[in-house]
Amino acid sequence: RKEVEQDPGPFNVPEGATVAFNCTYSNSASQSFFWYRQDCRKEPKLLMSVYSSGNEDGRFTAQLNRASQYISLLIRDSKLSDSATYLCVLLGGGADGLTFGKGTHLIIQP
Amino acid sequence: NAGVTQTPKFQVLKTGQSMTLQCAQDMNHEYMSWYRQDPGMGLRLIHYSVGAGITDQGEVPNGYNVSRSTTEDFPLRLLSAAPSQTSVYFCASSRGSSNEQFFGPGTRLTVL
Repeated sequence: RKEVEQDPGPFNVPEGATVAFNCTYSNSASQSFFWYRQDCRKEPKLLMSVYSSGNEDGRFTAQLNRASQYISLLIRDSKLSDSATYLCVLLGGGADGLTFGKGTHLIIQP
Repeated sequence: NAGVTQTPKFQVLKTGQSMTLQCAQDMNHEYMSWYRQDPGMGLRLIHYSVGAGITDQGEVPNGYNVSRSTTEDFPLRLLSAAPSQTSVYFCASSRGSSNEQFFGPGTRLTVL
């Protein structure tokens, strides 16, 4: 099993819809979890950290399920500007520093 | 603050040439790192540093050297470029390894 797995997509979603995607991880000792966003040909930027109790930031909600070893990202009322690749990132996934998933490509359609 | 800066933005090398990718940050971050991003592979850690004078290897260090003589700068050296090193290289910095990482704009390297 790979350290961090994400569905690469693309997810094609109409504007205004709700979309959710998961990320599974293999190392139960992983300590910290993040979602990063990467626009085409740009650098990754932190979207939000993921806390054990779940957390929300505006239209974005992140959840962590340690028992099943996955994190999720939910985007409500999606906007065209949400189109990007979303990277699942964790600390303590086996390699030094952060371990990045390959990303889920999201396309919001008008 | 400029954040994390990288130069050059683009570079084409011939096999066997050497070069240095520059990275600098003005946020007084102790932790700096280099990643490469290849299609279908995600970001992979090359080398990292937890402070001036300290460096360590990441997941894919072969063919690359780093040094950290100051807090601000963390150059990445390609000793003898190979086509397999064609990639996009990102430098990042943060207060610590578990803190938000700030990435530079990347260097797109092609080795012919």
